[in-house]
Amino acid sequence: NAGVTQTPKFRVLKTGQSMTLLCAQDMNHEYMYWYRQDPGMGLRLIHYSVGEGTTAKGEVPDGYNVSRLKKQNFLLGLESAAPSQTSVYFCASTKGRYNQPQHFGDGTRLSIL
Amino acid sequence: QQQVKQSPQSLIVQKGGIPIINCAYENTAFDYFPWYQQFPGKGPALLIAIRPDVSEKKEGRFTISFNKSAKQFSLHIMDSQPGDSATYFCAASIIQGAQKLVFGQGTRLTINP
Repeated sequence: NAGVTQTPKFRVLKTGQSMTLLCAQDMNHEYMYWYRQDPGMGLRLIHYSVGEGTTAKGEVPDGYNVSRLKKQNFLLGLESAAPSQTSVYFCASTKGRYNQPQHFGDGTRLSIL
Repeated sequence: QQQVKQSPQSLIVQKGGIPIINCAYENTAFDYFPWYQQFPGKGPALLIAIRPDVSEKKEGRFTISFNKSAKQFSLHIMDSQPGDSATYFCAASIIQGAQKLVFGQGTRLTINP
């Protein structure tokens, strides 16, 4: 049982390039989330999804897009990468809406030059 | 109002000591307060959580103390071990379409042998 799997683990991009981060969960969870983690700032919510085919904005959505075409997958896209998007990105999933633990992947470390 | 303030940023304790990490919040709509533990290169993992109708919760060597009137909560680690060295994040949950977690800034804890 893999839980939450993120690919790739590391990536270096040039400013203006695009890329997609993939998150896959095998726990049949309804809710999925994308966070970014920056030093001294904790984790901040980028976008989230309450089920297949749905997405919604979190706290810091600008510069990112997401899609949830299949229940088990949640994609995070950067259309035109900027140095300010250098960060570690975490995906999480949770079974329900109330007081449920969020299960995190091991992150994607992204550097934008 | 959506912020969770966490202190200290870093903490060094001798083995067997009791590190204490503190968090404070403003929004009384928060209804669930989890603590996450993160090791280098890994995603955060739920350690322990508390609801605001409870003043204390203990799981093994980890205890959360919760002061609803002061809007503060803290994590205590009894008989700390070098294996407890990690980054700890407090969080507060609010239901807005989904369970949204607002994280504190994190505390890097080092337990010296």
